[in-house]
Amino acid sequence: QVQLQESGPGLVKPSQALSLTCTVSGGSISSGSHFWSWIRQPAGKGLEWIGRIYTSGSTKYNPSLKSRVTISVDTSKNQFSLNLSSVTAADTAVYYCAREDGDFFGNWFDPWGQGTLVTVSS
Amino acid sequence: SSELTQDPAVSVALGQTVRITCQGDSLRNYYASWYQQKPGQAPVLVIYDKNNRPSGIPDRFSGSSSGNTASLTITGAQAEDEADYYCNSRDSSGHHPVFGGGTKLTVL
Repeated sequence: QVQLQESGPGLVKPSQALSLTCTVSGGSISSGSHFWSWIRQPAGKGLEWIGRIYTSGSTKYNPSLKSRVTISVDTSKNQFSLNLSSVTAADTAVYYCAREDGDFFGNWFDPWGQGTLVTVSS
Repeated sequence: SSELTQDPAVSVALGQTVRITCQGDSLRNYYASWYQQKPGQAPVLVIYDKNNRPSGIPDRFSGSSSGNTASLTITGAQAEDEADYYCNSRDSSGHHPVFGGGTKLTVL
C-alpha cells in the first residue's frame, strides 16, 4: 500500500525558508487521480491545510499562506515538496504530507506521513 | 477561528454510544470526513464521503449529516477509541479544505 515519508531540516531560522520533501512509496505518485497535500499542526493545536499539488503541476494553496507557499512535484523521484518562505515562530509545527482524494461532494486525506517537527528559532 | 466548529471535549462510558459533531455552513453542500489522532501519531481517516469507512476501520464508527451539522458516531466505545477527532470539509467558497478545531474524546 502507498506510504508517505516527510524529510527535511528540523530547525529553521526566522525569516528563512522552510523546505520539506515527501517521498511516496508503494505506488506511483502519477497513478490515479490523486492530489498530494501538505498539512501542519502546531503543538497542542488543530490541523491546518497548507496546499496541494496534482501531478500535472496544478496547485492550490490556503489563502492565509498563499503568499509564502510553493508546492512542487518531481514525478521521476516520486516526491513532492513544500517551500514556505519568511518563516516566524508561528510556523513551528509538525508538518504532514498526505494523499488527498475527493469528488463533487467532499474531500479526504489518506494515507498520511508520520509527520516531521519543524522548529523556527534562532 | 475555523469555519468548522467542534466541541472541544466529549466523554463516554466504556461500551456506550457517543456522537461527535461538526458544524459549518459548507456542510449543507459538502460531506465531512473524520480523522482519529492519538498522542504522538499522525491522523488516521475513519470516515469519508459522509459514511464510508476505509479498510481496517471498525464498523462501530459511522458518519451522518443533517443540515449544517455532520456527526461521527461511535457505537460501543472502546478504550482504544480515546483520541482527538477532527472533521474536514470544504471552506465556504468550496475550493479549499478546512478542518474543525478537534474534539478530545475521553472513554471513562
